Amino acid sequence: DAKTTQPPSMDCAEGRAANLPCNHSTISGNEYVYWYRQIHSQGPQYIIHGLKNNETNEMASLIITEDRKSSTLILPHATLRDTAVYYCIVRGDLSGTYKYIFGTGTRLKVLA
Amino acid sequence: DTGVSQNPRHKITKRGQNVTFRCDPISEHNRLYWYRQTLGQGPEFLTYFQNEAQLEKSRLLSDRFSAERPKGSFSTLEIQRTEQGDSAMYLCASSSDGSNQPQHFGDGTRLSIL
Repeated sequence: DAKTTQPPSMDCAEGRAANLPCNHSTISGNEYVYWYRQIHSQGPQYIIHGLKNNETNEMASLIITEDRKSSTLILPHATLRDTAVYYCIVRGDLSGTYKYIFGTGTRLKVLA
Repeated sequence: DTGVSQNPRHKITKRGQNVTFRCDPISEHNRLYWYRQTLGQGPEFLTYFQNEAQLEKSRLLSDRFSAERPKGSFSTLEIQRTEQGDSAMYLCASSSDGSNQPQHFGDGTRLSIL
């Protein structure tokens, strides 16, 4: 079973920030939070990952709560091309497995 | 960086036939993964290679499935005696050896069983 919980769908107006939440209350100390998105008929695209500090790159920002039980992916200025399914995954090298366990993700629709 | 390449992109075959898919990982990525994705679901892990060694297999990988990575570079996934339930997107990913490095996915091979 997936170790993360995400809302099944969200809408966001074009040009506004999209804030996608993820709960991972059973995360272990060595596990990272990874975010991917998948546009129809394509493979999952890596966005960002982090352990406990907030992270930012050219695509998005990742905010992880201090207790690490939840996180938020922020797309600062959503465009129509950001419409996709977004997956939050937790995994750590010390967990004994390298596999990702995907949930069903959040389907983000960016509205014009 | 040319990304993970998968071929073919689409495969249509009759039930009972054998199929083989190929994955070319990002160069210098020692880790390679196979996943399967059905409609409306997230990808499910099938198997993992570290160089040429197959180190982890899911129970989803029945005896009709076999994966190889003979020289530690490209990998193949073969399905023998295909069944209707094998219809899915088969995704390949690769990652470098560093600690907690993210996996990078190809665009998959979509298999349809007639």
